[in-house]
Amino acid sequence: DQQVKQNSPSLSVQEGRISILNCDYTNSMFDYFLWYKKYPAEGPTFLISISSIKDKNEDGRFTVFLNKSAKHLSLHIVPSQPGDSAVYFCAASVSGAGSYQLTFGKGTKLSVIP
Amino acid sequence: DVKVTQSSRYLVKRTGEKVFLECVQDMDHENMFWYRQDPGLGLRLIYFSYDVKMKEKGDIPEGYSVSREKKERFSLILESASTNQTSMYLCASSFASRGGEKLFFGSGTQLSVL
Repeated sequence: DQQVKQNSPSLSVQEGRISILNCDYTNSMFDYFLWYKKYPAEGPTFLISISSIKDKNEDGRFTVFLNKSAKHLSLHIVPSQPGDSAVYFCAASVSGAGSYQLTFGKGTKLSVIP
Repeated sequence: DVKVTQSSRYLVKRTGEKVFLECVQDMDHENMFWYRQDPGLGLRLIYFSYDVKMKEKGDIPEGYSVSREKKERFSLILESASTNQTSMYLCASSFASRGGEKLFFGSGTQLSVL
């Protein structure tokens, strides 16, 4: 059973426009969410995170929105740049003692077209 | 700067060989993880360790074992490599906490089993 779902395997966006990557989760215990970016032949790098006590977190061109009632989060990239072309993974975790793991989605491949 | 180092970027092995993948982190992290990444399947957790000599199975431990003799080093062992273990292997580490900690990843090892 997939607890974190990224239903779009790929997304193409024109340079300068907004990229919106979506993620849904089923486990209501998740209270911390992260986005990772991965280039080919490299390890994922942390991009941005959000705690369940917030509904929005912004860092430069990147904003993550969390809708707890819908169990949905999204990553907005504005404006999109060709260097943003990568695979983006959504991840979630449960806070608390004994919690060690992140549960990842399958990823969305973003292509930003110049 | 934070560093997770995987010993090899590319490895080619033959079916039945015993394979060792090594990972070292210099951040004094308690938690260490091994994931594999396959197209369309995302990141899947193989094993993790929250302390020296401690290990826990992840989602797909079959065919793998791990060793953590020192805090900074976490090894993944393929006892008898098979072609379905051809994959990108990613090591990660994090601080022990109440959860909600981000993972730091190495650059990955692309393993091909022929």
